Amino acid sequence: EPEVTQTPSHQVTQMGQEVILRCVPISNHLYFYWYRQILGQKVEFLVSFYNNEISEKSEIFDDQFSVERPDGSNFTLKIRSTKLEDSAMYFCASSPTGTSGEQFFGPGTRLTVL
Amino acid sequence: GEDVEQSLFLSVREGDSSVINCTYTDSSSTYLYWYKQEPGAGLQLLTYIFSNMDMKQDQRLTVLLNKKDKHLSLRIADTQTGDSAIYFCAEINKNFGNEKLTFGTGTRLTIIP
Repeated sequence: EPEVTQTPSHQVTQMGQEVILRCVPISNHLYFYWYRQILGQKVEFLVSFYNNEISEKSEIFDDQFSVERPDGSNFTLKIRSTKLEDSAMYFCASSPTGTSGEQFFGPGTRLTVL
Repeated sequence: GEDVEQSLFLSVREGDSSVINCTYTDSSSTYLYWYKQEPGAGLQLLTYIFSNMDMKQDQRLTVLLNKKDKHLSLRIADTQTGDSAIYFCAEINKNFGNEKLTFGTGTRLTIIP
């Protein structure tokens, strides 16, 4: 069964460094998402992406964040200058149509900022 | 803004039914979902219900929606040890092209042998 994959599973970085989290969505899906879950808190929406542009973003998704679909398979989240409070589990998701809203999630990347 | 709430913990004896409850605030929610998260794994979509439905059944899973009270529940029949996980309720409002899922805190289901 096709699934969303994410790399790396765990990323440790120093405060102020740039990180890129990578995702490979399910191949025929058209809508892509990033969510994050800070330890002990709710899963929070960051951004949605469709037709090569951002379709919606939350107030968390400020200028430090960017997303890109550099080729036909990868979907990346870049954090330019990481802060301690960016430490979280980051989930990528994809959806085939966006109509029923079924979003299929990857296993997540745990980001630790020291 | 939208909010989704769940109780944090539920313990159930193996073989009994589990009922996980969720309340939400957005009366215009279009779809409501249940996701399962096992340790170290991602969020697995279990089932979802359209807001004009009252009930949906899928094998051991039954979803009940009370739109008036904004209450959603997930019943797992004949609970097994493999059902141990965190269960997240989520909602989406598609009326204005909204793309984001709003999640509850998750309910940790523990199975007692």
